[in-house]
Amino acid sequence: EVQLVESGGGLVQPWGSLRLSCEASAFTFSTYSMNWVRQAPGKGLEWVSYISSDSSTIYYADSVKGRFTISRDNAKKSLYLQMNSLRAEDTAVYYCARDRLHDYWGQGTLVTVSS
Amino acid sequence: DIQMTQSPSSLSASVGDRVTITCRASQDISNYLAWFQQKPGKAPKSLIYAASSLQSGVPSKFSGSGSGTDFTLTISSLQPEDFATYYCQQYNSYPPTFGGGTKVEIK
Repeated sequence: EVQLVESGGGLVQPWGSLRLSCEASAFTFSTYSMNWVRQAPGKGLEWVSYISSDSSTIYYADSVKGRFTISRDNAKKSLYLQMNSLRAEDTAVYYCARDRLHDYWGQGTLVTVSS
Repeated sequence: DIQMTQSPSSLSASVGDRVTITCRASQDISNYLAWFQQKPGKAPKSLIYAASSLQSGVPSKFSGSGSGTDFTLTISSLQPEDFATYYCQQYNSYPPTFGGGTKVEIK
């Protein structure tokens, strides 16, 4: 069964940094593109970033461009999101999702930006 | 960016009802449209991709239709486990964008 498990969330002060991880299992991670999607408390879904299977293509939402960096390690079957210069409006549950189709999602990890 | 507009934003329905949710794109997205179901405190679950293709394991009471700019998700006979929030998403171009969601509640 395909599994995606996020980790690394927590409470961080404004302007702080955090690195999220997403560990994949039960599928050939190196052949799939991956995404990060977030959901602020009580709000809808917002796509954050995309990385192709070989890391050659990367996209970001305008709201995080220049502050967040997506990366992956296919040998470790892991996806990452380095988040810098965090703002209160970045507070959300962050999900990793497989493929352009977002066909599988992790359970999410909560990031709270507050002083 | 392509804007996705869902309607209604919420609806009340009874068990056994047929429910239809609509999603409109601000420009032609062909059939690059997906539907997701999300229950409180849980991750979204993929239901439909390519506007009308059912994801593996999704019951056939869910169906999708449309192309271009207008799309629908239909639940043929609402069951207690279907009460949730439903989102459409276009993946025709980056950034992929979601509709605002439709909350389906028990009448």
